[in-house]
Amino acid sequence: DTAVSQTPKYLVTQMGNDKSIKCEQNLGHDTMYWYKQDSKKFLKIMFSYNNKELIINETVPNRFSPKSPDKAHLNLHINSLELGDSAVYFCASSQDRVAYDEQYFGPGTRLTVT
Amino acid sequence: KNQVEQSPQSLIILEGKNCTLQCNYTVSPFSNLRWYKQDTGRGPVSLTIMTFSENTKSNGRYTATLDADTKQSSLHITASQLSDSASYICVVRMRGSQGNLIFGKGTKLSVKP
Repeated sequence: DTAVSQTPKYLVTQMGNDKSIKCEQNLGHDTMYWYKQDSKKFLKIMFSYNNKELIINETVPNRFSPKSPDKAHLNLHINSLELGDSAVYFCASSQDRVAYDEQYFGPGTRLTVT
Repeated sequence: KNQVEQSPQSLIILEGKNCTLQCNYTVSPFSNLRWYKQDTGRGPVSLTIMTFSENTKSNGRYTATLDADTKQSSLHITASQLSDSASYICVVRMRGSQGNLIFGKGTKLSVKP
């Protein structure tokens, strides 16, 4: 069974559009994350979220917003897409936000903005 | 500046050979160091998590070392297999309530038959 799943796997869209990427985890974890992996392959945290707290990386533009309908889902909404948003976006989850918690990553969504 | 540097950037070895990947970090305050394996087109998968007091940790054919004094870590792969071909990413977690993860760029390992 897939632990952390994302849809879609590939997303091609034009500048200015609004799009969403969905993430679901069936691990019963309390904390979920969104990461961006750019063309240089660096992974950078965008958000971490549990039912108590949303922590936002201050470098993330406010065009990006996480939305959590329930504990098992954390979707990523992106407004007014720009060319620089092209990247692979990974969702992850962990039991909690404590220091030694293992993070489990989804397969990634490759977003291409044309 | 909190950074994680990995070397080499890429590595090609023959099946059955051993190899060692390096990671240097300047992250402070330090909480723990992780090694992830990322297959092409997949998300990273954790191999080990090492705390300040741990010098060596093994996971099958993978052995990670940590020298917290010199802020260096290595990942040694023994008797490599074709399935070891992947990117190996060193990640340092900062101590604190937010516990930011600082990712290295990764070493791309190719194991050839």
